[in-house]
Amino acid sequence: GQNIDQPTEMTATEGAIVQINCTYQTSGFNGLFWYQQHAGEAPTFLSYNVLDGLEEKGRFSSFLSRSKGYSYLLLKELQMKDSASYLCAVRDRGGATNKLIFGTGTLLAVQP
Amino acid sequence: DADVTQTPRNRITKTGKRIMLECSQTKGHDRMYWYRQDPGLGLRLIYYSFDVKDINKGEISDGYSVSRQAQAKFSLSLESAIPNQTALYFCATSDIGENQPQHFGDGTRLSIL
Repeated sequence: GQNIDQPTEMTATEGAIVQINCTYQTSGFNGLFWYQQHAGEAPTFLSYNVLDGLEEKGRFSSFLSRSKGYSYLLLKELQMKDSASYLCAVRDRGGATNKLIFGTGTLLAVQP
Repeated sequence: DADVTQTPRNRITKTGKRIMLECSQTKGHDRMYWYRQDPGLGLRLIYYSFDVKDINKGEISDGYSVSRQAQAKFSLSLESAIPNQTALYFCATSDIGENQPQHFGDGTRLSIL
């Protein structure tokens, strides 16, 4: 079956670093996406990994290990505006459709 | 994403009514998707379309239908709404390509009484 696991909630302090983990079990794998979603708003794209390793984009980095079925999103120099849900999504094989399987999201609260 | 527009943004209606949610995009993408989001369940795919002549069911298509009127327009219908279809609905688009992300509209909050 298809399963994507993320912690439900996390709390971190402004200026700190936080790591949000995602583990997945899918019938195939053809890429992993991270999205940010503020309450009541649309998800917005943050990062994409298809090969093992770290992708860095400003304060945000994302890591993938395909053999372990594991990814994490690393947020540095946390700001209050980073308080949001972070969604991990896996594209199953048969990638022509770009269908994504979403995790339930991790709600991050950044405190002063 | 202002390039993906959903109407209405909010709707309250009664059980048994027919409802249409509309999505239009100016991104020029061929691929369009409808999701619903429920607390604790995440985003679930209802229907998706590769192009104007293509419609495919997602994981939770029962009780829903769609129409792809043009490349830019993809509408979702609830033929006879029921309370457990109360949810936040998102339309999304993507370009062709394995690394292409999906771009989401601002959502329609639908309540069925």
